[in-house]
Amino acid sequence: EEQLVESGGGLVEPGGSLRLSCSASEFTFTSYTMSWVRQAPGRGLEWVSSISSFSDYIYYADSVKGRFTISRDNAKNSVFLQMNSLRADDTALYYCTREAIAVTVYSFDYWGQGTPVTVSS
Amino acid sequence: DIRMTQSPSSLSASVGDRVTITCRTSQSISIYLNWYQQKPGEAPKLLIHAASRLQSGVPSRFSGSGSGTDFALTISSLQADDFATYYCQQSYSTPQRTFGQGTKVEIK
Repeated sequence: EEQLVESGGGLVEPGGSLRLSCSASEFTFTSYTMSWVRQAPGRGLEWVSSISSFSDYIYYADSVKGRFTISRDNAKNSVFLQMNSLRADDTALYYCTREAIAVTVYSFDYWGQGTPVTVSS
Repeated sequence: DIRMTQSPSSLSASVGDRVTITCRTSQSISIYLNWYQQKPGEAPKLLIHAASRLQSGVPSRFSGSGSGTDFALTISSLQADDFATYYCQQSYSTPQRTFGQGTKVEIK
C-alpha cells in the first residue's frame, strides 16, 4: 500500500530553520504532485506548498512565501520542505500528501502521519 | 481567494442518525470540492472527491452532493466509527488548496 513517512520535525527557536523530509513508497513517485499541509494545535488544515512531478511547477501559501522552499528528489522518492525564518505561528503538525487527479479534480488522496514542528524560545 | 464556510462547526448525534454537513464557497467552483475525515491523533482521510465521487474503500453510507457554491456531505446512518472532524476542501483555485474550518461530529 502507498506510504508516506515524514521526518525532520522538532523544537526550534524563532528565526531558526528546519528541513522536513518525506519518503514515499509503493507508488510511482514521478506520476504525482506532492504537497505539504499543516495543522496548528487544535486548529484546522492549512495547505502550505506543492511541487509538480518534475519540479516545473512550485507553489506556496502566502503565509510561507519567501521563507519556505519545497523540493523533491525523484531518484530517492523524496520530497523536502526547507523552512527558514521560523515564527511561533509556524508551530504545527506538518503532513506530507500526495495529490491525485480524477475527473480533472485534484485531491489529497494519501497522507503521512505528520512530523511536529514547534517554534519557541 | 476562495472562502469556505462549513456548517455547523459542531454537532451531536446518535448512532443511526442521518447527518448532513454543508460547505459553502465564496464563488462558484463547479465540482472541485473534496471531503476529508480526521479522527483524533490521526491524519486526514479522503472520503469524497469531485463533490460526489466516493473514494475507494469508503463505506457507502457516506455521500456527497452539490456543485457551484453549495455542497453537502451526508452520512446516512451514523456509526460509532464516524465520530470525527470533517473538512471540505476546494481545488478550483490553483494553486491555493483551501480547507473549510471543520465540523466536529460528537456522540450525543
